[in-house]
Order: sequence, then structure tokens, then C-alpha cells
Amino acid sequence: KAGVTQTPRYLIKTRGQQVTLSCSPISGHRSVSWYQQTPGQGLQFLFEYFSETQRNKGNFPGRFSGRQFSNSRSEMNVSTLELGDSALYLCASSFNSGPQETQYFGPGTRLLVL
Amino acid sequence: AQTVTQSQPEMSVQEAETVTLSCTYDTSESDYYLFWYKQPPSRQMILVIRQEAYKQQNATENRFSVNFQKAAKSFSLKISDSQLGDAAMYFCAYISIGTSGSRLTFGEGTQLTVNP
Repeated sequence: KAGVTQTPRYLIKTRGQQVTLSCSPISGHRSVSWYQQTPGQGLQFLFEYFSETQRNKGNFPGRFSGRQFSNSRSEMNVSTLELGDSALYLCASSFNSGPQETQYFGPGTRLLVL
Repeated sequence: AQTVTQSQPEMSVQEAETVTLSCTYDTSESDYYLFWYKQPPSRQMILVIRQEAYKQQNATENRFSVNFQKAAKSFSLKISDSQLGDAAMYFCAYISIGTSGSRLTFGEGTQLTVNP
């Protein structure tokens, strides 16, 4: 079974631009969570989508948004990019939503904002 | 709010030796899950081991085992017979049974170096 895939793997943007990242979960998995990883703040939860609905949201500004499609693929969008948005963005999928579910991570998208 | 603390930013071990990585957490919940994830230089997070708080028996996965001390809120990872491929950043993570959804809380990470 193929693992979680994320595209693109690397991205360079400039301040003020917007960006869309994509995550395809493991086949059959319906929950997708997004995390931001930075050297200063570590791993922080962004949001989770389950059955096309946002289930949870972390403490991030409204510039960070996401959605999930009927095939469980998820996208996250960051508008009006700031230098501090430079990070590794990881997505994780699980079969269902809930604490009992093991999350499997993708390789991440490294975003650099100049 | 739950917090997870890894007090060792860096650790090193000789190949074939044993190393223990520490993790403590703060929670008022009684039921929860704890995880150790490994992040090698490729940046892909890989699940190493998982522990359910209601289980008294410590989880083991081949060379990896945990020492779960619920009263002390401690969850250490022991790697036996360390191999060069074990070199990575290791993250401890927590999630409460009462959580609505799949939101993991991570520690700061411990960078493990394996010396040949």
C-alpha cells in the first residue's frame, strides 16, 4: 500500500504570495492532519479534516486554511505569506479520526519564504 | 493544557550499545496514548512505538522498548543494539482519549547520533 504523499516537496515563495500544498493519504484513510515544523516552535498542529469537514483547528491565524475532497485528498493554503511561515509542513493520515488512530506521516513539503 | 517535555536535546551512543531517551508529560487525564516517532534526515516521521496508558505492560517493538511510569508521567524509549540507521531526531507525542479528533502534542525532540 502506498504511503502518504505530499506535493510539492520543495517550494520557494516571496512575502505576500499565497501557496497551496497537497496531501494524498494512504488508500482508505479518511482523516488528514496537518502540522507545521520549525526550529523555533517545533511541531505544531494546524488542523484536521475528516470526511471533508474540519474536525480540529490549531492556534494559527486565518491565513492558514485547508480543505478535503471526497477522495480524502487534502490541501492547505497559506495566503499573504510571511517570512515566519518558512517551515516543513507535514501531513498525516489515519483510517478514522480519533485518539485511538495511529497517524502515518508523509515526507513533508519544505516551504521557504523570501 | 497538555505538555510534553524532552529534556535531552542531543544524545549519542556507540553502535551496538543501548541508549535511553527521556520524555515527561503533563496531563490531568487518566486515559491517553503516548508515541515515539523517529525523523531521520529525510524528514519523514516514522512511528517507532505506541503505548496505551491503561495498559500496565510496557510496549516493545524489536530493539525498541519503553519504560512507562504513569504516576511519574514518564515515558522513556530504550534502543538496544543501536544501529547506524537509528540516527535521527526522536519525538515523544501525546494524545488524550478524550480528544475530539487526532491532534497530537509533540515534545521538542532529541537528536540521536550513533557512532561507529
